[in-house]
Amino acid sequence: EADIYQTPRYLVIGTGKKITLECSQTMGHDKMYWYQQDPGMELHLIHYSYGVNSTEKGDLSSESTVSRIRTEHFPLTLESARPSHTSQYLCASSDEGTANEQFFGPGTRLTVL
Amino acid sequence: KNQVEQSPQSLIILEGKNCTLQCNYTVSPFSNLRWYKQDTGRGPVSLTIMTFSENTKSNGRYTATLDADTKQSSLHITASQLSDSASYICVVSDRGSTLGRLYFGRGTQLTVWP
Repeated sequence: EADIYQTPRYLVIGTGKKITLECSQTMGHDKMYWYQQDPGMELHLIHYSYGVNSTEKGDLSSESTVSRIRTEHFPLTLESARPSHTSQYLCASSDEGTANEQFFGPGTRLTVL
Repeated sequence: KNQVEQSPQSLIILEGKNCTLQCNYTVSPFSNLRWYKQDTGRGPVSLTIMTFSENTKSNGRYTATLDADTKQSSLHITASQLSDSASYICVVSDRGSTLGRLYFGRGTQLTVWP
């Protein structure tokens, strides 16, 4: 099993709250990713990072922001959550030696009321 | 446009039976194709990876095939078990970017009944 962790696993919050979803990996991977996944739908890339101090927006527009201060840590923040942010958020990591295999965390199921 | 299409969308089979899931893709230039298994409430886990020159790859009861000419892949599950109930996602990687961009299908939701 991959050494990539996400907390919390489940989060129910009210509209307007600021939240941070945590993602950590102990594999020393340079590249990290955040995906958004709705039930029955494909994963959509919302953010990625090539390494420390590198962050880029993905294919799907998102109001969230990310930071990469340490190699192992890639948190995602929503300044003001809305019901439209309700979704599953998956974090992943990879490096050059894994032939683009991305190792996924267990995900955070976010519900905004 | 790079796309990955999977069929069927969902499938119900009895324990012990075999099944085959399909994947068609238009991703170019092609690098590799993976099948991932995603249990409910969990992240996807890689089952097999196939590159352009490979036609078939097995991992226990899972056998993947790839036809790079027709851009089709299949995942065959033999002697299904209750634990096989999950979403199976076809993921294609292109070799045109340093990111190693992945293109995901929507998955086939497999349910195995006792």
